[in-house]
Amino acid sequence: AQSVAQPEDQVNVAEGNPLTVKCTYSVSGNPYLFWYVQYPNRGLQFLLKYITGDNLVKGSYGFEAEFNKSQTSFHLKKPSALVSDSALYFCAVRDGRKAGTALIFGKGTTLSVSS
Amino acid sequence: ETGVTQSPTHLIKTRGQQVTLRCSSQSGHNTVSWYQQALGQGPQFIFQYYREEENGRGNFPPRFSGLQFPNYSSELNVNALELDDSALYLCASSNLVDEQYFGPGTRLTVT
Repeated sequence: AQSVAQPEDQVNVAEGNPLTVKCTYSVSGNPYLFWYVQYPNRGLQFLLKYITGDNLVKGSYGFEAEFNKSQTSFHLKKPSALVSDSALYFCAVRDGRKAGTALIFGKGTTLSVSS
Repeated sequence: ETGVTQSPTHLIKTRGQQVTLRCSSQSGHNTVSWYQQALGQGPQFIFQYYREEENGRGNFPPRFSGLQFPNYSSELNVNALELDDSALYLCASSNLVDEQYFGPGTRLTVT
């Protein structure tokens, strides 16, 4: 069975500092990994994905994530945080062996960037 | 913004009633997935439709049902509403193997 853990309910950083939002996963087959962001009263916006290839993937708004197979992690990072990055971030995984399997989401991490 | 739209945006129903939520998928996408997001939780997979056929189902009872139409839009129907059905219902469209693009959601309140 697939699962995703986001160990931090909240991450606080100062504007201009680097940020990391942690994610670990468990999946039977090949992991397809995703990060989404949710602003208040909005749906989820796709940030980036890892399917195969380079372990460091780059996405929207300057975000990137590093896939680490041995640690089963897919942490989200950004070199310099903006106040506008404050939102709820979700990591998700699906089993890449079968097309169309469900996305399994973590509980989410609230990122708060202070000015 | 994605090209995925959902209606209505908000809905209030009474326990025991039935509700239908609608989703229009992004142009070029043939797959629609539905998720339930309870307050403070991540989205939970309800089911997925691919070319008008159910293509997978999560751990939801049969009173949650769906349809996908030839234009790939979709409906989620919930019968015999319970208080715990109160949540944000998200629709996501994709091609079968690609990332999913989410609509803004329908906020359902059951009283």
